[in-house]
Amino acid sequence: SQQGEEDPQALSIQEGENATMNCSYKTSINNLQWYRQNSGRGLVHLILIRSNEREKHSGRLRVTLDTSKKSSSLLITASRAADTASYFCATRSGGSNYKLTFGKGTLLTVNP
Amino acid sequence: DTAVSQTPKYLVTQMGNDKSIKCEQNLGHDTMYWYKQDSKKFLKIMFSYNNKELIINETVPNRFSPKSPDKAHLNLHINSLELGDSAVYFCASSQDVGELFFGEGSRLTVL
Repeated sequence: SQQGEEDPQALSIQEGENATMNCSYKTSINNLQWYRQNSGRGLVHLILIRSNEREKHSGRLRVTLDTSKKSSSLLITASRAADTASYFCATRSGGSNYKLTFGKGTLLTVNP
Repeated sequence: DTAVSQTPKYLVTQMGNDKSIKCEQNLGHDTMYWYKQDSKKFLKIMFSYNNKELIINETVPNRFSPKSPDKAHLNLHINSLELGDSAVYFCASSQDVGELFFGEGSRLTVL
C-alpha cells in the first residue's frame, strides 16, 4: 500500500518565488527521502532526513520532518525555471528497510 | 559514465509476446530494484535484490521474473505481455539502505 502522500498534486509559481511541498505518511519510518523527476527522465535523489532529525538543508532546499504528525515538507527557495519537475517523497519503514515506498508526487511548474 | 543503465529505452510489442529489460550499475552497490511507474506517475516497487538474493517480491504476477546474475546486473523478463503492463520500468541501485540511483527508464508499450 502507498506510504507517502504529497500535497499539493500540482503547484505553479513564478520564478523567484518559494515552493513548498508536503508529504504525509502512515507508519513509523527510518528515514524519508525526496526525489526529483524531470519529464521523461529517471528520478534523482535530493535529500535524506533520518527519523531522529527535524530539519536539513542542501543549497536552496530545506526539508523538515515531524514524526509526531507523520509529515515532512520540502521548501525550494528562489525557484528557477529549471526546478520544473515532479517531486516525490519516499519512506523507508522499520519493517522492511530495503523497501523504499514512494508517494504520488507533486508536479511543480516554475514560470519564467 | 552512466551509473545505472538500462536497455532498451523503448519497447513496443504485441499482447502475448515476451520481452526482457536489462539493467547494469557501475556504482559497486549491493542492492538493486525494479520499479514500475504508471501513466499517473505512481511508482510501485516490484522487486529488490541484495547481493544477488531476492529480498523484496511485491504482489507481482508470475509473468514477471527478475534475474540477478551478479551484484551489478538485474534483468527483468516479462512473459505473455498484457495491455496493463504498459508503463515505464525503472531500475535503481543503492548501497544497503541509502539513497537510490535510478536509470533513465524503459518505456514499454503493449498493443
